[in-house]
Amino acid sequence: SQQGEEDPQALSIQEGENATMNCSYKTSINNLQWYRQNSGRGLVHLILIRSNEREKHSGRLRVTLDTSKKSSSLLITASRAADTASYFCATDGGSQGNLIFGKGTKLSVKP
Amino acid sequence: EPEVTQTPSHQVTQMGQEVILRCVPISNHLYFYWYRQILGQKVEFLVSFYNNEISEKSEIFDDQFSVERPDGSNFTLKIRSTKLEDSAMYFCASSEALLGVTGYTFGSGTRLTVV
Repeated sequence: SQQGEEDPQALSIQEGENATMNCSYKTSINNLQWYRQNSGRGLVHLILIRSNEREKHSGRLRVTLDTSKKSSSLLITASRAADTASYFCATDGGSQGNLIFGKGTKLSVKP
Repeated sequence: EPEVTQTPSHQVTQMGQEVILRCVPISNHLYFYWYRQILGQKVEFLVSFYNNEISEKSEIFDDQFSVERPDGSNFTLKIRSTKLEDSAMYFCASSEALLGVTGYTFGSGTRLTVV
C-alpha cells in the first residue's frame, strides 16, 4: 500500500530559520496534502498540491512535488515559536478519498 | 470559518462498553470520514461515508464499528464493545469533493480511553 513517510522524524531550529521537511510515498497519487497537528490537538489542513503541479506557495509555506521521485517537501520560512507542531504529509488512497498519512515530523522552534 | 465539531472531547469508558462518538461535519460537505490516531502513531483511516452509505473502510473497521448519519447534521461512530486497544484519538473529517481535491477539514478529535 502507498505510504507517506516524512523525514526527519524530529527537527529543532531557532526562530527565524527555515525548516524543511520531506515526504516520500510509494504509488501514484492524485494529490498530496500537508497537515499540522499541535500536541494532542486536531489536524489542520495546510496546503494541497495536485499531481500535475510542481510547486505551491501559501504565506510562509512552500511545497514542492516531484512525482518522478515520489517525494514532496514542505518549507516553512522565517519560522516562529508558534510553528512548533508535528507536520504530516498525506496522500490520497483508494477511490473514495481516504488519506494515507506518514508518521510526521516533529518540529520544535526555539525562541 | 466553518468547522467540524466533535463531541465529547474526552471519553473514558470501561472495556466492553459501547461508545458513540459524535461529529457535525461542515454543512455543505458531502463526504465524511473517521480516522484514528493511537498515541505516538500514525493517523489511520477507518471509514468513508457518502450518500448515506459506507464508501470504503479499512481493515481496522471491523464488525465492532459502525457509522450512521441519523439526521441531516450529525455523523456518528459507534464502537459496540470497546477493547483496551481502541484507546486512541478519533478524528472526524469532511470534504466538499471526492478525493479531497479541496482539502479535508478535520475536527479537533475525541480522545477515547478504554480502561
